[in-house]
Amino acid sequence: QLQLQESGPGLVKPSETLSVTCNVSGGSLRDTNYYWGWIRQSPGKGLEWIGSVYYNGKTTYRPSLRSRVTISIDTSNNQFSLRLKSVTSADTAVYFCARRTVVGARIDFWGQGTMVTVSA
Amino acid sequence: QSALTQPASVSGSPGQSITISCTGSSSDVGTFNLVSWYQQSPGKVPKVLIHDVNQRPSGVSDRFSGSKSDNSASLTISGLQAEDEADYYCLAYAGSYWVFGGGTKLTVL
Repeated sequence: QLQLQESGPGLVKPSETLSVTCNVSGGSLRDTNYYWGWIRQSPGKGLEWIGSVYYNGKTTYRPSLRSRVTISIDTSNNQFSLRLKSVTSADTAVYFCARRTVVGARIDFWGQGTMVTVSA
Repeated sequence: QSALTQPASVSGSPGQSITISCTGSSSDVGTFNLVSWYQQSPGKVPKVLIHDVNQRPSGVSDRFSGSKSDNSASLTISGLQAEDEADYYCLAYAGSYWVFGGGTKLTVL
């Protein structure tokens, strides 16, 4: 059974870089049938798509975050990561990693999410 | 890349049907048949209900159905049940990225 598990710092200071990693078990990041992505949800707010990565490292990003975000993939260790630089309080959110199918374009598996708070 | 527009809230009584709209533009919903819908119950991760506008994944109740017309997509829930009370989000492809709707809170009266 596929499992996605996020790990993150919990607390990040303003202007610093947020880094979150998703460890994948029960499946392979080399599987060409899926994209791997990040979605966030600010407290009490809606879902926001951040970006995704394919097994070959090709990425797509939300335009408004493109200048600050990097998503990378490590197929050898079966994990992928999100880096968001120059954070502000507006980046405080639960960060979910997720799997999206290539065919059918649905997000079919989600991690439980990790809360990241931006505060001095 | 503004969020797709959804009503903030809808409500209905058990047994009734409700429809949640998701309005985008010719750059996303209007051009691509890549609209999916997700249910998020309190404290839970989202669960996919519909993909590719009107396709239901295996295991999802046939009480959930999707459609699209021009720049708007819709999710219809028939035979409302108490367990349907949750937040619902649409997600659409916008050419080079994906965008969620703002979310709709469904209250079962």
